[in-house]
Amino acid sequence: AQSVAQPEDQVNVAEGNPLTVKCTYSVSGNPYLFWYVQYPNRGLQFLLKYITGDNLVKGSYGFEAEFNKSQTSFHLKKPSALVSDSALYFCAVRDGLTGGGNKLTFGTGTQLKVEL
Amino acid sequence: GAVVSQHPSWVICKSGTSVKIECRSLDFQATTMFWYRQFPKQSLMLMATSNEGSKATYEQGVEKDKFLINHASLTLSTLTVTSAHPEDSSFYICSAPDGAREQYFGPGTRLTVT
Repeated sequence: AQSVAQPEDQVNVAEGNPLTVKCTYSVSGNPYLFWYVQYPNRGLQFLLKYITGDNLVKGSYGFEAEFNKSQTSFHLKKPSALVSDSALYFCAVRDGLTGGGNKLTFGTGTQLKVEL
Repeated sequence: GAVVSQHPSWVICKSGTSVKIECRSLDFQATTMFWYRQFPKQSLMLMATSNEGSKATYEQGVEKDKFLINHASLTLSTLTVTSAHPEDSSFYICSAPDGAREQYFGPGTRLTVT
């Protein structure tokens, strides 16, 4: 079985400061990892993914994430937060070994609040 | 990137009636689509996997007779909530994988049952 944990329900950060949204995962095989963002009453927007290759993945809107196999983590980061980054962020995992029928398992989400 | 649309974006229906939600892949074909349900301030819960040309696969605890799924073509899946009740009020999101590695999500449908 695959699972994702997002330990923080909410993260508050001042605009201009760096932000980190934490994610840890568990899969049987090789993980396919994703970050999505959701604005109120909207669907999910893709931010970035890790399939293979460099552990540091760069994505949309200046976000990046670092895959750490030993810690089974895939934390989302941004060097300088913007108020417009305030949204709900979801980490998701798929088991690359079994394919899992493309099934994604989502974390519980982290509400990011960026304040002036 | 690929685009997935949903219709309607919001719907209000009376208790006991049925409502149909469409999910379309606009510029790619999808033999599989996924239906999720999301309660306020909560994560997405996978309800079922819609399979073109065969029966949908439902997750444990999801009533297949209440949430009817039809994958009519390689670009269209529909979710019908039958005999809706207020507790069915939720945000329903579909997704479709474009190939083996990435999923694209629809904008969601807000269902309110009065």
